[in-house]
Amino acid sequence: DIQMTQSPSSLSASVGDRVTITCRSSQSITRYLNWYQQKPGQAPKLLIYAASTLQSGVPSRFSGSGSGTDFTLTISNLQPEDFAVYFCQQSDSTPLTFGGGTKVDIK
Amino acid sequence: QVTLKESGPVWVKPTETLTLTCTVSGFSLNNARMGVSWVRQAPGKALEWLAHILSNDEKSYSESLKSRLTISKDTSKGQVVLTMTNMDPVDTGTYFCARLSGLMFGEFPRFDPWGQGTLVTVSS
Repeated sequence: DIQMTQSPSSLSASVGDRVTITCRSSQSITRYLNWYQQKPGQAPKLLIYAASTLQSGVPSRFSGSGSGTDFTLTISNLQPEDFAVYFCQQSDSTPLTFGGGTKVDIK
Repeated sequence: QVTLKESGPVWVKPTETLTLTCTVSGFSLNNARMGVSWVRQAPGKALEWLAHILSNDEKSYSESLKSRLTISKDTSKGQVVLTMTNMDPVDTGTYFCARLSGLMFGEFPRFDPWGQGTLVTVSS
């Protein structure tokens, strides 16, 4: 199985900050990497797929980069509605696996 | 508009079998570019993929749960059913179904959208 490791597990930030979350896979997954946002009591929402493609309707302050084993989700100009948990997920091979999540809360 | 909705019991006893239904609308379970997955989340924990089923009825399961899981679909009804046998308190959590799109050659699979989820508690 491909293991997905996210860091940090949590961070505190202020509105307007630039936030970076890292995801590392245990083997190369080329660009088969997706990012999701989950707010309390809600289902996850797709933000980015194929490592860097912004899902339709997602604000452009979200961006993704990376390939191979190292990936990054960046939120520029953090907004109040962005405080949530973020998960990465690999779709290179089954079992489809998720990272442990990064909780972004208010400083 | 694509939607998915989970239904099933909110509570099951240990050793019982859980049956969950995902009812989809806005897309066909015959669409070769898509499938449906089940993903669960224990309280306060990360997401765990359980299984998926594709348009050609190809099925895939989490290796650690494979012996307990069965996934099937009824295309005419727009429903995907997941059964999990021998339930245990550690299986308590929210169970989501999600469309798995981007399955054609050269595309990138992803879960979008997700159902709202259904919380299942396993307790005697």
